[in-house]
Amino acid sequence: GENVEQHPSTLSVQEGDSAVIKCTYSDSASNYFPWYKQELGKGPQLIIDIRSNVGEKKDQRIAVTLNKTAKHFSLHITETQPEDSAVYFCAAINPSGTYKYIFGTGTRLKVLA
Amino acid sequence: KAGVTQTPRYLIKTRGQQVTLSCSPISGHRSVSWYQQTPGQGLQFLFEYFSETQRNKGNFPGRFSGRQFSNSRSEMNVSTLELGDSALYLCASSLRQGRNTEAFFGQGTRLTVV
Repeated sequence: GENVEQHPSTLSVQEGDSAVIKCTYSDSASNYFPWYKQELGKGPQLIIDIRSNVGEKKDQRIAVTLNKTAKHFSLHITETQPEDSAVYFCAAINPSGTYKYIFGTGTRLKVLA
Repeated sequence: KAGVTQTPRYLIKTRGQQVTLSCSPISGHRSVSWYQQTPGQGLQFLFEYFSETQRNKGNFPGRFSGRQFSNSRSEMNVSTLELGDSALYLCASSLRQGRNTEAFFGQGTRLTVV
């Protein structure tokens, strides 16, 4: 069935360094790939997304890249700050299909001051 | 613009009881999806409602049900609660129109079954 694998499950970086989280999806018909940040006690917050007609999208310190051929997409956070510490989830969706988000298992990012 | 509102924020129930959770989507959004979040299983899709109709259902037993009202507010119900139903229940609201597929989550309802 549909599946999204996410790696790593935990990631610790020094403040100012970059962080990269990778996801692989199985449904080749997926065409929308959002990333969510979830802080303790809160719901997931949409931070960036990408559609299958582009290969990269950037918003200040965060960027997402997509490789449709390999069915990979990645989140890149540059110049990390302590407030970036959270759990990050990737997701894939096929709007023409069941319209259900398939989420990765999450990455706990710790930015060390 | 108000976000997605879920009530209540916290619930404690005993095994065998039933519970109803509520979700008010962003104004103008007609799609409401529900997810169960647990440490071991991550975010699992429960069901999606659009224009008062259930459009999709995940792999959960029939004890989990939901509905959507004409104002797009949605409720989900869990009957005969089990300890394993303890989780954070999240709802997400979406316009679900054309390329507008972004989903926005509420804060969730933390359900504890004792």
